[in-house]
Amino acid sequence: DAKTTQPPSMDCAEGRAANLPCNHSTISGNEYVYWYRQIHSQGPQYIIHGLKNNETNEMASLIITEDRKSSTLILPHATLRDTAVYYCINGGGTSYGKLTFGQGTILTVHP
Amino acid sequence: SAVISQKPSRDICQRGTSLTIQCQVDSQVTMMFWYRQQPGQSLTLIATANQGSEATYESGFVIDKFPISRPNLTFSTLTVSNMSPEDSSIYLCSVVPGQGRRNEQFFGPGTRLTVL
Repeated sequence: DAKTTQPPSMDCAEGRAANLPCNHSTISGNEYVYWYRQIHSQGPQYIIHGLKNNETNEMASLIITEDRKSSTLILPHATLRDTAVYYCINGGGTSYGKLTFGQGTILTVHP
Repeated sequence: SAVISQKPSRDICQRGTSLTIQCQVDSQVTMMFWYRQQPGQSLTLIATANQGSEATYESGFVIDKFPISRPNLTFSTLTVSNMSPEDSSIYLCSVVPGQGRRNEQFFGPGTRLTVL
């Protein structure tokens, strides 16, 4: 079973920031938080990962709470092409490489 | 990033037959995995493809049903054996490139299988 909890769906206006929450209260100390997304009819795409510090790359920012029990993926300026299913996954450590996908959040970006 | 191709991209098969899916990567990678995505569902890990040895299967998946080969660091095959309509899914391979990018996993485009 997936070890994370995400809202089933969210909406966002084009050009605005999309903030996708994830709860992972049972994350272990050596597990990372990974975010992937799956655009319709494509394979999942890696977005970002973090252990305990906030992270930023060209695609998104990842904010992890100090207790590591939750995180937020931020798409700073959402576009229509960001419409996808977003998956928050805990992994690494002893299960390195294995990704347990939950149901994710369907993000719909509106014009 | 690693570029991954899968063959075939889609197929329609008859019950009781077998289909072998190929996964080719454009560079050597440390880890390769096979996933299944049933209609309307999320992805489920089938197995880790180990180079030169038997694959490591997840709970609920067995070698007789899903034999996997990985003869080198850039290629793997997954066979779906004795197919039934319940095997209709998208099958995806994924890779971990290795040193320096060990926490990024790249997925192929998937093979869409329909079993009649």
